[in-house]
Amino acid sequence: GQSLEQPSEVTAVEGAIVQINCTYQTSGFYGLSWYQQHDGGAPTFLSYNGLDGLEETGRFSSFLSRSDSYGYLLLQELQMKDSASYFCAVISNTGKLIFGQGTTLQVKP
Amino acid sequence: NAGVMQNPRHLVRRRGQEARLRCSPMKGHSHVYWYRQLPEEGLKFMVYLQKENIIDESGMPKERFSAEFPKEGPSILRIQQVVRGDSAAYFCASSPSRDGAGELFFGEGSRLTVL
Repeated sequence: GQSLEQPSEVTAVEGAIVQINCTYQTSGFYGLSWYQQHDGGAPTFLSYNGLDGLEETGRFSSFLSRSDSYGYLLLQELQMKDSASYFCAVISNTGKLIFGQGTTLQVKP
Repeated sequence: NAGVMQNPRHLVRRRGQEARLRCSPMKGHSHVYWYRQLPEEGLKFMVYLQKENIIDESGMPKERFSAEFPKEGPSILRIQQVVRGDSAAYFCASSPSRDGAGELFFGEGSRLTVL
């Protein structure tokens, strides 16, 4: 089976940097993705890691270590609009995508 | 280029009725995923389909739930004899290929309320 663990809540202030960790257990691992969801709306894709290392997309970066079954999402220069839920998701080599329970990020002024 | 379209956005059913949720993937996408989400919870995988084929339905309850993605037309998630516990948001997502599964495009969801 597959399982993912990520913190349930994180709080940070505007302008700060926050890191959301994700550990996973799965067979047939293919990659790790990150999604953002505001107020129960449509989840939106943020980043994908298929190989070890850091992927940078603007203020957001994502990291993967396959040997440690670990990844993280790094959000820099936090803005109030970044308050949302963030999900890590494991992609298997069959194309199936399993999501973690999500991390609620609250950005304070 | 329209995104993933789901309808209805909101659906109210009484216990024992049937619910049909539709999903039209993005143009050019032949892979569709269905997820269920309860308030304050994560997205629970239900089923992964490719045109005319069910690839993985390991997250689907064995009874009352079925999904299809015909050659023509939208993907349908069908829930028969609904119960109150079926009340949830159901999200559909699409990708152009299995290798594109890292980046799914989601619809706005269909919110089912069972009275």
